Amino acid sequence: QVHLQQSGPGLLKPSQTLSLTCAISGDSVSSNTAAWNWIRQSPSRGLEWLGRTYYRSQWYFDYAVSVKSRMTIDADASKNQFSLQLNSVIPEDTAIYYCVRVDYDRSGSSQNWFDPWGQGTLVTVSS
Amino acid sequence: DIVMTQTPLSSPVTLGQPASISCRSSQSLVHTDGNTYLSWLQQRPGQPPRLLIYKISNRFSGVPDRFGGSGAGTDFTLKISRVEAEDVGVYYCMQTAQFPYTFGRGTKLEIK
Repeated sequence: QVHLQQSGPGLLKPSQTLSLTCAISGDSVSSNTAAWNWIRQSPSRGLEWLGRTYYRSQWYFDYAVSVKSRMTIDADASKNQFSLQLNSVIPEDTAIYYCVRVDYDRSGSSQNWFDPWGQGTLVTVSS
Repeated sequence: DIVMTQTPLSSPVTLGQPASISCRSSQSLVHTDGNTYLSWLQQRPGQPPRLLIYKISNRFSGVPDRFGGSGAGTDFTLKISRVEAEDVGVYYCMQTAQFPYTFGRGTKLEIK
């Protein structure tokens, strides 16, 4: 059974950098049948997909346009985890951040399900 | 971006009675691989979202069979055949056919 454990600070000041990590157990970040996503949730914006990484003979990264200029996702196979870095945070980045695994078929190209979800990290950006 | 519109915003239901939530997408969710990537999530207070249904009608592991999904193209429905107290929460539809993945604003299921 796959489990995702999130870690990272919950309080930031504007202009600081948000760094969150999602540790994976029960699967490999380098799996050819998974993708590793970041999603956030706030009262004003609802659920918002931020980006993903996945490995298919090489690493791929996709980002939402809304955060692309400020966001970096990284994968660390040695620690079996992936991370999110969001630069120059603003109060509107205040949200609960989730990491989520997406399952794919054997070919690695057709999606199955979005599960599991990490426990969530409440990030507050305030001066 | 694909806009996901859910109705109703709130649904008061009597225990044991059915409930239905609709979700409409601004574009077809049929992917080039032939699959339709529409999922339903349930979120209980203070918890992360939980997957109920994926690819329109596939119940995820452990999801009770009183939950069912249907639809095609741009119109989708989540039905609960007999609402139980544990079903209280907010339900979201989610499309993953096209980037960026997008979500409905949620339907709050309450017990009358």
